[in-house]
Amino acid sequence: AQKVTQAQTEISVVEKEDVTLDCVYETRDTTYYLFWYKQPPSGELVFLIRRNSFDEQNEISGRYSWNFQKSTSSFNFTITASQVVDSAVYFCALSEGATDSWGKFQFGAGTQVVVTP
Amino acid sequence: DSGVTQTPKHLITATGQRVTLRCSPRSGDLSVYWYQQSLDQGLQFLIQYYNGEERAKGNILERFSAQQFPDLHSELNLSSLELGDSALYFCASSSRDRNRNYGYTFGSGTRLTVV
Repeated sequence: AQKVTQAQTEISVVEKEDVTLDCVYETRDTTYYLFWYKQPPSGELVFLIRRNSFDEQNEISGRYSWNFQKSTSSFNFTITASQVVDSAVYFCALSEGATDSWGKFQFGAGTQVVVTP
Repeated sequence: DSGVTQTPKHLITATGQRVTLRCSPRSGDLSVYWYQQSLDQGLQFLIQYYNGEERAKGNILERFSAQQFPDLHSELNLSSLELGDSALYFCASSSRDRNRNYGYTFGSGTRLTVV
């Protein structure tokens, strides 16, 4: 069963528009970790944010913000005032907290963000 | 530089061949993870080593194997290669303390093309 769902395959926006990426996860663990990664065309995985299941405080960092809702098992990510350099594939990932599961990332299918000038 | 080094960056080989991908973890990290990113399967976990021992297995084919050496670098061996093995292979390393604080770092990947 898929544990991380990114329902949006591709989002296209014009520069300066806001972009919100959805992520829904599934886990039975009470301790787990959620991540967002960016993969630009060059291919590397760029770490954006990590959230622990015991920390529901949302955060804004520059043009990025996150909305973690345990009640709905969602961990959404927003880019404010998008720029062309934000064009990339964005992955949501889950790492469960049990000793034998920790560190094994389960990735969503990714959302392609295309920002046009 | 993320601190995790993967070599080679690109590899082109023929079907039926065998290749070895190498990963040097970030200094001090004991765990190494291998992931495969293919067009049809997405990003998926293959295998984990911790301080030289296999810790967890994911969707790793029997034609694939890995090991972690005493100096903590790891190698992923892919044999009897098929066209479908063409993918980007990532290595990651991690460390974790008792306070649940940890670092997790991906390398830049090895792009394997099987022709």
